[in-house]
Amino acid sequence: DAGVIQSPRHEVTEMGQEVTLRCKPISGHDYLFWYRQTMMRGLELLIYFNNNVPIDDSGMPEDRFSAKMPNASFSTLKIQPSEPRDSAVYFCASSLLGGILDTQYFGPGTRLTVL
Amino acid sequence: AQTVTQSQPEMSVQEAETVTLSCTYDTSESNYYLFWYKQPPSRQMILVIRQEAYKQQNATENRFSVNFQKAAKSFSLKISDSQLGDTAMYFCAFTGANSKLTFGKGITLSVRP
Repeated sequence: DAGVIQSPRHEVTEMGQEVTLRCKPISGHDYLFWYRQTMMRGLELLIYFNNNVPIDDSGMPEDRFSAKMPNASFSTLKIQPSEPRDSAVYFCASSLLGGILDTQYFGPGTRLTVL
Repeated sequence: AQTVTQSQPEMSVQEAETVTLSCTYDTSESNYYLFWYKQPPSRQMILVIRQEAYKQQNATENRFSVNFQKAAKSFSLKISDSQLGDTAMYFCAFTGANSKLTFGKGITLSVRP
């Protein structure tokens, strides 16, 4: 399997612009997670899906952030409008069973820079 | 809420020697998983090893092993025969019934040639 695929790997944008990050989970995995990594806050869970349905979005920082999973093989994380404090590495991860039953496998991450 | 604490920000070890990375956690759950993830300069998060809380036996994966002390809520990672490719950030993580992974702040490990 190709593993979790994320695109783009790097994104540089200007404040106020819309940013869309993409993720393709491992085939057959029912859970998909979005994380953000910053120096100040470390790794934080933003939202996760089970069978394409958002289960917990309590980690989404504010209304500027939204995530969708239109099908089992694709998810997006959108920031609109973007701000410099959104600069971070965003990871997508997937797991087969979720929770205490399984291991999450991470994608390579997208490094976002908002100028 | 669960918390994961990695109190050492960085460590250094000579190649071929053994190093232990510390991690403590706090939870009220009785059934959970603990993980160590490695993040090399490439940024990829790579699973190193995992431990099921209900198992008393410490997990081992080749040169990597853990010392899991459930009563003390301690979960340390031992790397034997350190290699230059082990240089990376290492994150301790916890997951319980809510499917959420909670990470520690990480520790930077440098392996010296």
